[in-house]
Amino acid sequence: QKEVEQNSGPLSVPEGAIASLNCTYSDRVSQSFFWYRQYSGKSPELIMSIYSNGDKEDGRFTAQLNKASQYVSLLIRDSQPSDSATYLCAVISGYGQNFVFGPGTRLSVLP
Amino acid sequence: DAGITQSPRHKVTETGTPVTLRCHQTENHRYMYWYRQDPGHGLRLIHYSYGVKDTDKGEVSDGYSVSRSKTEDFLLTLESATSSQTSVYFCAISGRTSGGGTDTQYFGPGTRLTVL
Repeated sequence: QKEVEQNSGPLSVPEGAIASLNCTYSDRVSQSFFWYRQYSGKSPELIMSIYSNGDKEDGRFTAQLNKASQYVSLLIRDSQPSDSATYLCAVISGYGQNFVFGPGTRLSVLP
Repeated sequence: DAGITQSPRHKVTETGTPVTLRCHQTENHRYMYWYRQDPGHGLRLIHYSYGVKDTDKGEVSDGYSVSRSKTEDFLLTLESATSSQTSVYFCAISGRTSGGGTDTQYFGPGTRLTVL
């Protein structure tokens, strides 16, 4: 069973701070990694994808991937109350199209 | 929502009745998926399709069947609904981006199903 693990939270950070969300995965051959944001009662929406070791930045979001450690993270700079949501880590397991999702981390940004 | 619709959006039914949920896409993506999402379990894959008439089971397929007769439609059927199938069901699509890029999964708005 391929697994993706995340801290369930809630993770609380003050407005303007950096929020750090972490994810580990068990399948060593995974090549594609995604972060989704899900507001309560809504569907997941893609924030970022990352495929190579290192950092990838998009606005206030930075995804970090370390395949040797089987670890992917998402940093949110200058956190806003509107960032309060559940963040899902997803991995394409193996060489197919099977996405495996972590349980999600609930983030709360306090004004 | 990347051209994905789900119907119905809400449904209440009784134990033992058949239920069919529909996912429709206008993106011509090859892959389509059905997930259920429950508190404490996250998103769990029920079934997926990799082409017309090509489907396979996911992690929690017992009690569910699917069909895909057209590229744009993927149906999920609960043959005899049980209370344990009360959940929020999401359809998702993925497929190659133009130019052979990487795959990304996009989600429909979800269907909230309650089985009494």
